[in-house]
Amino acid sequence: AQTVTQSQPEMSVQEAETVTLSCTYDTSESDYYLFWYKQPPSRQMILVIRQEAYKQQNATENRFSVNFQKAAKSFSLKISDSQLGDAAMYFCAADNYGQNFVFGPGTRLSVLP
Amino acid sequence: GAVVSQHPSWVICKSGTSVKIECRSLDFQATTMFWYRQFPKQSLMLMATSNEGSKATYEQGVEKDKFLINHASLTLSTLTVTSAHPEDSSFYICSATGQGRVTNEKLFFGSGTQLSVL
Repeated sequence: AQTVTQSQPEMSVQEAETVTLSCTYDTSESDYYLFWYKQPPSRQMILVIRQEAYKQQNATENRFSVNFQKAAKSFSLKISDSQLGDAAMYFCAADNYGQNFVFGPGTRLSVLP
Repeated sequence: GAVVSQHPSWVICKSGTSVKIECRSLDFQATTMFWYRQFPKQSLMLMATSNEGSKATYEQGVEKDKFLINHASLTLSTLTVTSAHPEDSSFYICSATGQGRVTNEKLFFGSGTQLSVL
């Protein structure tokens, strides 16, 4: 079974600054995917970034990047140049080839003007 | 990107009635669909997983006779809340994944359905 933990229930960041959201996971699978999803007030789940566990290179998507530490089972999300529109709930998730998506409890991010 | 359409967006019903929620993958074949329930300020709680043409697999504690899931085609799954009661009021979200270039092991979400049972 997979488990995902997010130890920061709430975070805040000043506009244009950088913030890092933490995530740790546990899995018995040797190959898996890790994700960060964003849920704004509209409640639509939006994929932010995805990392394949077999790739050592950290994934990046514009202002979003991850720090994937496979041995430590850590998968943090860094948001650079934070914008007001980044304010949302962020969920870390782990998956084994589309059959076993598991979400963490979420981190609520506030962006201060 | 792949699109998942979920309807209705919100529904209000009387206690004891049944409500059907539809989840459609519009531009890909959804081999697997998931149904989640989300309470305010909480994470998504997986209710069941359904593969096209097979019976849904329910998570522990989820009543399969109350939450009927049908995944009859590769583009449509439905969740029927039977004999709804106020405690069933919640936000329900579907998601879908498939195989191939479009989905590439990603999970795509519907926009959710807010159910309020009076």
